[in-house]
Amino acid sequence: AQSVSQHNHHVILSEAASLELGCNYSYGGTVNLFWYVQYPGQHLQLLLKYFSGDPLVKGIKGFEAEFIKSKFSFNLRKPSVQWSDTAEYFCAVETGRRALTFGSGTRLQVQP
Amino acid sequence: GAGVSQSPSNKVTEKGKDVELRCDPISGHTALYWYRQSLGQGLEFLIYFQGNSAPDKSGLPSDRFSAERTGGSVSTLTIQRTQQEDSAVYLCASSLGDRRNEKLFFGSGTQLSVL
Repeated sequence: AQSVSQHNHHVILSEAASLELGCNYSYGGTVNLFWYVQYPGQHLQLLLKYFSGDPLVKGIKGFEAEFIKSKFSFNLRKPSVQWSDTAEYFCAVETGRRALTFGSGTRLQVQP
Repeated sequence: GAGVSQSPSNKVTEKGKDVELRCDPISGHTALYWYRQSLGQGLEFLIYFQGNSAPDKSGLPSDRFSAERTGGSVSTLTIQRTQQEDSAVYLCASSLGDRRNEKLFFGSGTQLSVL
């Protein structure tokens, strides 16, 4: 069965710092990849997704993620974080149109 | 309503009791999903409904868990003879269209505590 690893459980950054959250998955076949975000007091929502094409995908609020097949990775990046980016971020993988497998999440805290 | 609605938001029950959790998806969304999240862990898939098709029950952890979706809308997740390890946040999500996992809209969840 596939698994998803998010090695950073808790990240603390100052505003304007650059962000990279790691996501690695274990599955050798075709995958579709997602990042979901949960802001404090809000529901989980889709940040961005990769199905095919350009491996660099852009999402809402200036986030982007790069699919590197050889590294089984789909890291999330943002050049300059804001206090409002404080949230929990979940990476998810889909294989063969089956259920999404989610990572355990990374809690990002941005200090003003 | 504007979003996915779940009730109750919190449920405390005693070990061995049955519980029912309700999910009201976004109007017009044909797909409905149940996930659960235990403390410090990722979301764990439970069950998936798509239109009138047979549900994908492959994530249900035991036969104590069951779910139904009436009239292609509201869904109820039932846990019989609850155990302490059932304590978790149960999340419901819905999505529009036939493509599974296209874009899930989540509810706020039901926090289940089994004493």
